[in-house]
Amino acid sequence: DAGVTQSPTHLIKTRGQQVTLRCSPKSGHDTVSWYQQALGQGPQFIFQYYEEEERQRGNFPDRFSGHQFPNYSSELNVNALLLGDSALYLCASSPVGVQPQHFGDGTRLSIL
Amino acid sequence: GDSVTQMEGPVTLSEEAFLTINCTYTATGYPSLFWYVQYPGEGLQLLLKATKADDKGSNKGFEATYRKETTSFHLEKGSVQVSDSAVYFCAPHLNSGGSNYKLTFGKGTLLTVNP
Repeated sequence: DAGVTQSPTHLIKTRGQQVTLRCSPKSGHDTVSWYQQALGQGPQFIFQYYEEEERQRGNFPDRFSGHQFPNYSSELNVNALLLGDSALYLCASSPVGVQPQHFGDGTRLSIL
Repeated sequence: GDSVTQMEGPVTLSEEAFLTINCTYTATGYPSLFWYVQYPGEGLQLLLKATKADDKGSNKGFEATYRKETTSFHLEKGSVQVSDSAVYFCAPHLNSGGSNYKLTFGKGTLLTVNP
């Protein structure tokens, strides 16, 4: 049984570009959450998707957007990349309303 | 608002030493409490959890007890191993406004265990 899978593993972009990160939740999970983890910090909640809609959002600008597909997989999009967007982006999944969440290994995004 | 405070590291111990990492939180109500571990280059793994007062979560020799009176969830291990070297995160499930709740992570504690 595959856990949460994320792609790509690593990504290098330049300032001003746009990026899309992908996440497939653990089998049986229908809720997907995204987190940003800056170097040496704890993960910060970006947003959560359930039934293809954004249900909660953390303190992140509109440059961060997402999508959830009918098969529960999800994308995180970041526009107009800034140097400060360099981080590990983590996806987590769970059945709706159930804890704990299961995390993927993340996508390491570097902005030059 | 609801928040979490975790003992900052780094913490360096010798093998077989006793480990304590402190975690306290402020919350309305009684949140579920979690400890996650992050090994180098990897994502987060759930280490243990407790969902109500006086519950003791345990896994791989680690333990933490849900202390309602002191709003704490300190992580302990009696005898650490080199393989326990990692970053540990306390993460209560806190209210984020209205009826919304989210995992709220501490800043993490880097543990290094030397042979």
